[in-house]
Amino acid sequence: AQKITQTQPGMFVQEKEAVTLDCTYDTSDQSYGLFWYKQPSSGEMIFLIYQGSYDEQNATEGRYSLNFQKARKSANLVISASQLGDSAMYFCAMREGPDYKLSFGAGTTVTVRA
Amino acid sequence: DVKVTQSSRYLVKRTGEKVFLECVQDMDHENMFWYRQDPGLGLRLIYFSYDVKMKEKGDIPEGYSVSREKKERFSLILESASTNQTSMYLCASSPGQIGHNSPLHFGNGTRLTVT
Repeated sequence: AQKITQTQPGMFVQEKEAVTLDCTYDTSDQSYGLFWYKQPSSGEMIFLIYQGSYDEQNATEGRYSLNFQKARKSANLVISASQLGDSAMYFCAMREGPDYKLSFGAGTTVTVRA
Repeated sequence: DVKVTQSSRYLVKRTGEKVFLECVQDMDHENMFWYRQDPGLGLRLIYFSYDVKMKEKGDIPEGYSVSREKKERFSLILESASTNQTSMYLCASSPGQIGHNSPLHFGNGTRLTVT
């Protein structure tokens, strides 16, 4: 079964607007962590934000915030005030239990229009 | 800054060749990983290692093996390359013995084409 589901293959967003990238996950562990990565066309994987399953507040890092809804098993990434440099592929990932390895979703391509 | 270096950015190999993909990290990380990335499938874990000389199969280990003789180096081996192994290969590392909030640090990837 797919552990991480990203249902939006591609999205367009206007510069300076906000965009929400969907991510749902599947785990039976009580302890887990959720990560978002950005992959620009250069190919590097850039870590953006982390949310732990026991964290009571939604994580935020600059223009990135994570809308964590534990009961719905969703961890959507919100990018506020989009910039042209935000055009990239975005991956949601999860670490379960005591493991260090991450399971990744299929990714969402974001294109920011001027 | 953590640096994960993959020895080749692009590789072209022939079917049946033995292929070595090398990865070195400079931050004394215990954990190292090999993923392959394909369009529409995201990143899939091939093999990982939590210590020197230790290796574990990931989700898609068939056709691959790995070697970790030194802590900083994790090699992916394609014993007999096939065209369905044409892909982007990403190496990553992370520190061990810590909580869930440590991200993986990735190399820049090796784009392998098998003809």
